[in-house]
Amino acid sequence: SYELTQPSSVSVSPGQTATITCSGDILGKKFTSWYQQKPGQSPVLVVYQDTKRPSGLPERFSGSKSGNTATLTIRGTQAMDEADYFCQAWDRSAAIFGGGTILTVI
Amino acid sequence: QVQLVESGGGLVEPGGSLRLSCVASGFAFNDFYMGWIRQGPGKILEWISFISPGSTNKNYAESLQGRFATSRDNAKNSLFLQMSRLRAEDTAVYYCARLDCINDSCPTYDDAFDIWGQGTTVTVSS
Repeated sequence: SYELTQPSSVSVSPGQTATITCSGDILGKKFTSWYQQKPGQSPVLVVYQDTKRPSGLPERFSGSKSGNTATLTIRGTQAMDEADYFCQAWDRSAAIFGGGTILTVI
Repeated sequence: QVQLVESGGGLVEPGGSLRLSCVASGFAFNDFYMGWIRQGPGKILEWISFISPGSTNKNYAESLQGRFATSRDNAKNSLFLQMSRLRAEDTAVYYCARLDCINDSCPTYDDAFDIWGQGTTVTVSS
């Protein structure tokens, strides 16, 4: 089975750009989705099909992919963006998730 | 307002069973694939299953070894997860989620989980 690898934590200063990566062989063939989870809340979809943003989501969130690595970029990071972020893809007929990245805004 | 509300979690002894429910509102439940995902104490998200609108297509994580079963009642906008032979490692928050796929080619296996419930907590302990 495939794995998705994320950094365990990323730190960013307010107003700066945060980048969170997700690596895995399956990403060369499948779309990546990204989810934001704030403490005590359920996950929220922030990027799907590598680069698309759900309606209503701030434009500072964007996704990209190069080869086997997907990237979630948050421009002009705000304190409210502090959360756990998970990537997700499909391995044949099973959904797989990355281990999650804690984004700290300091 | 699009919403999913889970219920049925609780404390259960190892080897026991539990049935979780998820009620949908604000969208045409009978048009969408639905799934279950859990999050253990280590915060890792683990996909459990999905089910097609007509219940004809289901799939489960291999790690569950046939202990869980997903079903739905479209007349009641409800999704269910029957869990049996529960183990301590099944302790988690269980989420139901909607798959963002609504045509005859679903699932594409590139779909995202676009709506999540608030989760229900299952604790397996003696």
